[in-house]
Amino acid sequence: AQRVTQPEKLLSVFKGAPVELKCNYSYSGSPELFWYVQYSRQRLQLLLRHISRESIKGFTADLNKGETSFHLKKPFAQEEDSAMYYCALLGTDKLIFGTGTRLQVFP
Amino acid sequence: EAGVVQSPRYKIIEKKQPVAFWCNPISGHNTLYWYLQNLGQGPELLIRYENEEAVDDSQLPKDRFSAERLKGVDSTLKIQPAELGDSAVYLCASSPWGRNTIYFGEGSWLTVV
Repeated sequence: AQRVTQPEKLLSVFKGAPVELKCNYSYSGSPELFWYVQYSRQRLQLLLRHISRESIKGFTADLNKGETSFHLKKPFAQEEDSAMYYCALLGTDKLIFGTGTRLQVFP
Repeated sequence: EAGVVQSPRYKIIEKKQPVAFWCNPISGHNTLYWYLQNLGQGPELLIRYENEEAVDDSQLPKDRFSAERLKGVDSTLKIQPAELGDSAVYLCASSPWGRNTIYFGEGSWLTVV
């Protein structure tokens, strides 16, 4: 089965604290994984993808095939990071999303 | 560039009434998607088009939902008749050939009362 699991519905941290948004996947082939973000009243947009191995807005995510995980991390959270974050897997011809994690960063 | 454009942004209808959503993808994007997003859930694919051909409509409830992309550009998603459980956000998205990056519209928020 092709599945993406985000175990946390809500993650609350204070500004400057480290952040880790968890994502686990189930996929039999070689996975292609993404993180999408949705800020308040804005459209869903791509944050980063694992094949690019890039850091966007201070966020990074490393694919761990052994643990089937693709956790999103940022060492120092900012208030403007508050948003919904969705992990997604490119399955057989379609993008499969997790249920999302709401990140709240308090001042 | 305008991005993926959807209309209407918000729609409130009574149950059993029809409703239609329109989507204009990013220029040059061959692939168009309609996703359904229920409250508290991630988006789920309803239908995917490659140009004017629906190549994956396995998740589209065909008894009441229909979609078309006649000229391979803009697309319409219709629900007839609407049910209370159809209240959700309907997202349109598009991608260039290769599908690695998908761009979403702002969504059409449907409330069925």
